Amino acid sequence: GNSVTQMEGPVTLSEEAFLTINCTYTATGYPSLFWYVQYPGEGLQLLLKATKADDKGSNKGFEATYRKETTSFHLEKGSVQVSDSAVYFCALIPDDKLIFGTGTRLQVFP
Amino acid sequence: GAGVSQSPRYKVAKRGQDVALRCDPISGHVSLFWYQQALGQGPEFLTYFQNEAQLDKSGLPSDRFFAERPEGSVSTLKIQRTQQEDSAVYLCASSSGQGKTEAFFGQGTRLTVV
Repeated sequence: GNSVTQMEGPVTLSEEAFLTINCTYTATGYPSLFWYVQYPGEGLQLLLKATKADDKGSNKGFEATYRKETTSFHLEKGSVQVSDSAVYFCALIPDDKLIFGTGTRLQVFP
Repeated sequence: GAGVSQSPRYKVAKRGQDVALRCDPISGHVSLFWYQQALGQGPEFLTYFQNEAQLDKSGLPSDRFFAERPEGSVSTLKIQRTQQEDSAVYLCASSSGQGKTEAFFGQGTRLTVV
């Protein structure tokens, strides 16, 4: 079946540290891949996406590369800020609906 | 509208009460989705509409859950005889429906069953 596995949180970092949040997936066919972010008290927002192998999605300093050979879509940022503190969800669309991972909470301290 | 709008934002229901949750999708969006998000978990798929047709309801947890989108725009998720395990945030999302495109989410309705 189709599924997403994310690293468990919380991830706790100091400001300006490097961030990696791991995401791997299982899917039939050629899914599109997404990272959504949920800031405290707010709804889910699309952060970035990639629709085919080797595509790199990027936004707000975050990047993720669609790796078909390792079925991964790891989220990275070179220098995190306190304002990046949120819950991050990896997701895929194998056919017509989004399937989410369980989310990874990121906490960034000054 | 500019975004997906859900109402109410918060709902407290007594066990056994029926509730109705409303979703106004982005104007012109063909596809509409309902998800359930328990505390500390990722959103779980409930059901999906394309225009007024309910194409997939495989995620509805029981026959107490019912969704409709009669005119292909606004949707209502109804839960009958609510139970404590129904307490969660109910998220609505819409998309243009063209291929494997991203969905845009509302802020959700937090349902608490007491």
